[in-house]
Amino acid sequence: SQTIHQWPATLVQPVGSPLSLECTVEGTSNPNLYWYRQAAGRGLQLLFYSVGIGQISSEVPQNLSASRPQDRQFILSSKKLLLSDSGFYLCAWSPRDATNEKLFFGSGTQLSVL
Amino acid sequence: DQQVKQNSPSLSVQEGRISILNCDYTNSMFDYFLWYKKYPAEGPTFLISISSIKDKNEDGRFTVFLNKSAKHLSLHIVPSQPGDSAVYFCAASAERDNNNDMRFGAGTRLTVKP
Repeated sequence: SQTIHQWPATLVQPVGSPLSLECTVEGTSNPNLYWYRQAAGRGLQLLFYSVGIGQISSEVPQNLSASRPQDRQFILSSKKLLLSDSGFYLCAWSPRDATNEKLFFGSGTQLSVL
Repeated sequence: DQQVKQNSPSLSVQEGRISILNCDYTNSMFDYFLWYKKYPAEGPTFLISISSIKDKNEDGRFTVFLNKSAKHLSLHIVPSQPGDSAVYFCAASAERDNNNDMRFGAGTRLTVKP
């Protein structure tokens, strides 16, 4: 069966510090990978998605970047965090080349930038 | 750009009664709709979905209704149970985008009172 791992679960970082959140998927190959953010009181906002190694699509201009160094690894980064980067970050995957497929989410990372 | 809207941030229902959660969308290209359930500090989990070729899909206590002309869908939970208390997200995607652009509503917090 497929599983998705996301860490850390919580993170408190000072403004201006770097960020690295990691997500890995097991039990499947060539997944589509996603990073979402849920800001306080708001819905899930798609930040990045990837259909393959090194292929990253960005949905919104922001202080964050994403990388996919391996097929089942997706990393969310920032060189300098802003207060507005606080939120609940979710990694997700879906089968490649499958239409009408649901997303499978990780357990999320609660990021607080102080 | 709120293409998927859940206008009720919260809903409170008595145990055993029906819960109705509503969702509206603006993009006529959306052809696949999903409901996710989210507990605090956890990732969303898939609940039920419906394709645009249908107007109803039922799974146990959960039924999703789709009204394409009104660009509206709803989730009915009957009977509601205290364990159903969670945030429910409506989501939509378009097959032409290989579902890589799934849009989420802001969520509705359902509280089922014993």
